Amino acid sequence: DAGVIQSPRHEVTEMGQEVTLRCKPISGHNSLFWYRQTMMRGLELLIYFNNNVPIDDSGMPEDRFSAKMPNASFSTLKIQPSEPRDSAVYFCASSALAGGTEQFFGPGTRLTVL
Amino acid sequence: DQQVKQNSPSLSVQEGRISILNCDYTNSMFDYFLWYKKYPAEGPTFLISISSIKDKNEDGRFTVFLNKSAKHLSLHIVPSQPGDSAVYFCAASAPGGVGSYQLTFGKGTKLSVIP
Repeated sequence: DAGVIQSPRHEVTEMGQEVTLRCKPISGHNSLFWYRQTMMRGLELLIYFNNNVPIDDSGMPEDRFSAKMPNASFSTLKIQPSEPRDSAVYFCASSALAGGTEQFFGPGTRLTVL
Repeated sequence: DQQVKQNSPSLSVQEGRISILNCDYTNSMFDYFLWYKKYPAEGPTFLISISSIKDKNEDGRFTVFLNKSAKHLSLHIVPSQPGDSAVYFCAASAPGGVGSYQLTFGKGTKLSVIP
């Protein structure tokens, strides 16, 4: 089992550029979560999906952020345009719908916006 | 407004001694609590959990205690080992919609176990 896969692991971009982060959840998991980790705010839930449907996106900071899950094995988090304050580590996690609350995290994408 | 608080950003413990990590919460709807462990450049990994119907759960060297009246939980690691050095996150969930549950995380406590 490969676990949750995220790409890229590191992303450095300039302010104003579009950034796309990718996630492949664990096969068979029905729920997918996007988190952002910063020193100031810790781990924040941005959005989560159940069976590919966005359930709660109240954590998405601004309209510059958008997330999609076109199928059960792929999700993207897009920031357009990016700003320096978006610099953080972004984690994707997945869980089995009927498997309780344990979530399995990917290794994260460290985003730096210059 | 932080619903899950870990008031100690860091903790240092001698190898072989007990490590106690604390967590407080404010949302009385939380009914399930988890501890995650995170090494640098890796994602958090699940460590141990406890349901609100229990006050203690033990797994090897790790024990989680829950005091619902005080809205407080703690993680005990006995004996502490250098490999336990990591950031520990406390997380809580309340029943959510449509099956799965959201987790609310604390900011983490960095544990350093000194050989």
